[in-house]
Amino acid sequence: DTEVTQTPKHLVMGMTNKKSLKCEQHMGHRAMYWYKQKAKKPPELMFVYSYEKLSINESVPSRFSPECPNSSLLNLHLHALQPEDSALYLCASSPISTGTSGPKNIQYFGAGTRLSVL
Amino acid sequence: GESVGLHLPTLSVQEGDNSIINCAYSNSASDYFIWYKQESGKGPQFIIDIRSNMDKRQGQRVTVLLNKTVKHLSLQIAATQPGDSAVYFCAENIEGDYKLSFGAGTTVTVRA
Repeated sequence: DTEVTQTPKHLVMGMTNKKSLKCEQHMGHRAMYWYKQKAKKPPELMFVYSYEKLSINESVPSRFSPECPNSSLLNLHLHALQPEDSALYLCASSPISTGTSGPKNIQYFGAGTRLSVL
Repeated sequence: GESVGLHLPTLSVQEGDNSIINCAYSNSASDYFIWYKQESGKGPQFIIDIRSNMDKRQGQRVTVLLNKTVKHLSLQIAATQPGDSAVYFCAENIEGDYKLSFGAGTTVTVRA
């Protein structure tokens, strides 16, 4: 099973709303990722969690707040977003990559949440 | 000399023909490469990967070729089918690093 499940599939929110995106995987992966993808562009990395701790924040504005409650779940809390934040938000997971003799960094992606900010 | 395939943003291919999608990567330190397929309304789906100690790897109907000398990666799809219509992304990685660096993507359209 290489499934990463994201909810909701679609979300429309106003600029004053607070909402959360959820991601779940049961592959035993200890690395989880949030990406943002604009139309016709490649995914852009936002955050990386490894062993449930934030490892990488790609200078993402504080209106995006990630959370990793346990090894299977990843949330992205949204508050006071701007219209330009409208995009597809993708979650991914992978084994922890330790180098060329260890597991590969194959990232498995969910279907994404299509977010529209009005 | 060896020619390097150009990256094309779009590729139109007749059903049943072979497809070749090219990707030039930027970091000479990258030692792991992945091809992803993204269909409309879906997330990227892993197709095939290759480590830098290899120059060719085959899967089911797909082959990845790696030329480290010119930092070039290609994906060959045999007997292209309508279900192969999608955007294809190459990604490079340094093993042990979490970050994947994605290429711009190639949109493949299969003509019936």
